[in-house]
Amino acid sequence: ILNVEQSPQSLHVQEGDSTNFTCSFPSSNFYALHWYRWETAKSPEALFVMTLNGDEKKKGRISATLNTKEGYSYLYIKGSQPEDSATYLCAFYNTNAGKSTFGDGTTLTVKP
Amino acid sequence: DGGITQSPKYLFRKEGQNVTLSCEQNLNHDAMYWYRQDPGQGLRLIYYSQIVNDFQKGDIAEGYSVSREKKESFPLTVTSAQKNPTAFYLCASSIGTRSYEQYFGPGTRLTVT
Repeated sequence: ILNVEQSPQSLHVQEGDSTNFTCSFPSSNFYALHWYRWETAKSPEALFVMTLNGDEKKKGRISATLNTKEGYSYLYIKGSQPEDSATYLCAFYNTNAGKSTFGDGTTLTVKP
Repeated sequence: DGGITQSPKYLFRKEGQNVTLSCEQNLNHDAMYWYRQDPGQGLRLIYYSQIVNDFQKGDIAEGYSVSREKKESFPLTVTSAQKNPTAFYLCASSIGTRSYEQYFGPGTRLTVT
């Protein structure tokens, strides 16, 4: 079983704060990394798929970067809003495993 | 509307009984997945299927069985051999199994007493 680690496990911030969290994965045989957002009482939804070293993706106030050589991806949220409160999951796909492995997620709570 | 449906939302069973969780998709996706989530943990893969009539074990397949007789359906049976079946179960699908994003259903919360 591949080891995909996310940190921190949980995060509490005030509205307007910017925040970031990390997904670490094995650097060998990298194929793709996905970020998902999972809001309470809803299904997880895809945010980004990242495939190339140095990739940067952006959707509104949320952005992500990828470093495949050192095996990590950062997710940034600029000016957090209460509606950003969710669990953010990363999923790593390598060429040998044939399937994605999810991290345990980072749960973000944004207080008004 | 295209999407994934899981039923029922909540399921209660007595220990020793097999139970089947339904998952249907109308997205015309080839790949389908079953995950389990326990409190404080992420999604752990139980089984996945890349194409009709084919499926592979995930990381925690013991005590579970699946079938993929139709493209749109991927039912999961939780057997009496599963030692800790109480959990939240999520079904997902994707175009393929490589870099494609997964689309998730609403989940089924199974409680076994």
